[in-house]
Amino acid sequence: DQQVKQNSPSLSVQEGRISILNCDYTNSMFDYFLWYKKYPAEGPTFLISISSIKDKNEDGRFTVFLNKSAKHLSLHIVPSQPGDSAVYFCAALYNFNKFYFGSGTKLNVKP
Amino acid sequence: DADVTQTPRNRITKTGKRIMLECSQTKGHDRMYWYRQDPGLGLRLIYYSFDVKDINKGEISDGYSVSRQAQAKFSLSLESAIPNQTALYFCATSDFKGSETQYFGPGTRLLVL
Repeated sequence: DQQVKQNSPSLSVQEGRISILNCDYTNSMFDYFLWYKKYPAEGPTFLISISSIKDKNEDGRFTVFLNKSAKHLSLHIVPSQPGDSAVYFCAALYNFNKFYFGSGTKLNVKP
Repeated sequence: DADVTQTPRNRITKTGKRIMLECSQTKGHDRMYWYRQDPGLGLRLIYYSFDVKDINKGEISDGYSVSRQAQAKFSLSLESAIPNQTALYFCATSDFKGSETQYFGPGTRLLVL
């Protein structure tokens, strides 16, 4: 049973608008949550993370929100750019040992 | 040069064959991981190693084995490949010294016929 879920396989957004990618998890003991971005034929690259003791972390156009009561996190990209088109993976870190990944959301930002 | 390299990048093999996927890193990290990616399932952990003498099974270790030859090298073996091991395989490293993130290699695409 997947502990980290991304229920939207794909998302299409117009350039300049906001992209919101969602992720749900089941284990309340996760220490950190991370977002990775993956282009075709490349490995995932780290984008942004948030500690389980915080509810928001911002880095430029990227903001991650954590709602622990709902076991939900989201990644906001504002404004979206065509170069943001990629697959985004949500991941959770357990006991500072193991990472659990969601199935990914493919974002398409239209010019 | 890439910090995490994987060889080969693509491999086609037949059922029953033994194959090895190799991973090397120049980041000086102690921790190394092997994942496989399947459509609709994301990345699933096969094995991980926190130093040369420490090897741990992940979620889906059956049918796989690993060897940590040095801090910089972590190889994944399929002793007798089967078609449902067809997937994209990623190696990753981390150190948790100031950062909880992982650094991934470019992946190896494996097809088992």
